[in-house]
Amino acid sequence: AQKITQTQPGMFVQEKEAVTLDCTYDTSDQSYGLFWYKQPSSGEMIFLIYQGSYDEQNATEGRYSLNFQKARKSANLVISASQLGDSAMYFCAMRELDAGGTSYGKLTFGQGTILTVHP
Amino acid sequence: DGGITQSPKYLFRKEGQNVTLSCEQNLNHDAMYWYRQDPGQGLRLIYYSQIVNDFQKGDIAEGYSVSREKKESFPLTVTSAQKNPTAFYLCASKSGDSYEQYFGPGTRLTVT
Repeated sequence: AQKITQTQPGMFVQEKEAVTLDCTYDTSDQSYGLFWYKQPSSGEMIFLIYQGSYDEQNATEGRYSLNFQKARKSANLVISASQLGDSAMYFCAMRELDAGGTSYGKLTFGQGTILTVHP
Repeated sequence: DGGITQSPKYLFRKEGQNVTLSCEQNLNHDAMYWYRQDPGQGLRLIYYSQIVNDFQKGDIAEGYSVSREKKESFPLTVTSAQKNPTAFYLCASKSGDSYEQYFGPGTRLTVT
């Protein structure tokens, strides 16, 4: 079974500073995908960034980058130049493969990290 | 604008009543999903559907039922058999050739 672990229940960062949110995963699949989602207090899930297990370079999307260390099974999210609007819950997730080796897009989520950005 | 709608945003029911949560998408996505989120927790998969008239159980399907009669609609029924139905319910959809799941705004269900 796949598992996602986010060990930081809460993180604090000063505005304009960078912050790293940790995520480790456990899977026996060779092909998988890793995602980060942001959930503001309104409850909607906002897709931030995706990393495929065979991607050679770390994914980047604007101020977001994913520090992918395959051997360590970690996929940490780095947010540069934090903004007040970044305060939210952040979830790491993994795309699951079915028994036939195809992906139906089912996601397994971690417990989340609450990020608070201070002015 | 294309997207996923869930209605209502807040729903209140008495214990013992079945309740149906709506999920509609106009993104022409084949796959649709229902997740449950409890306070301070991650999302857990209830049911998913890859095509019309077909769906599979997720990790926590007991006490729930779904239907997929139309491509754009995937309603979730929370039955009286669900022991702890109070939660935040999120619907999502995905196209076949994309890795990203798009989420709706969610429905917060309270059962007393």
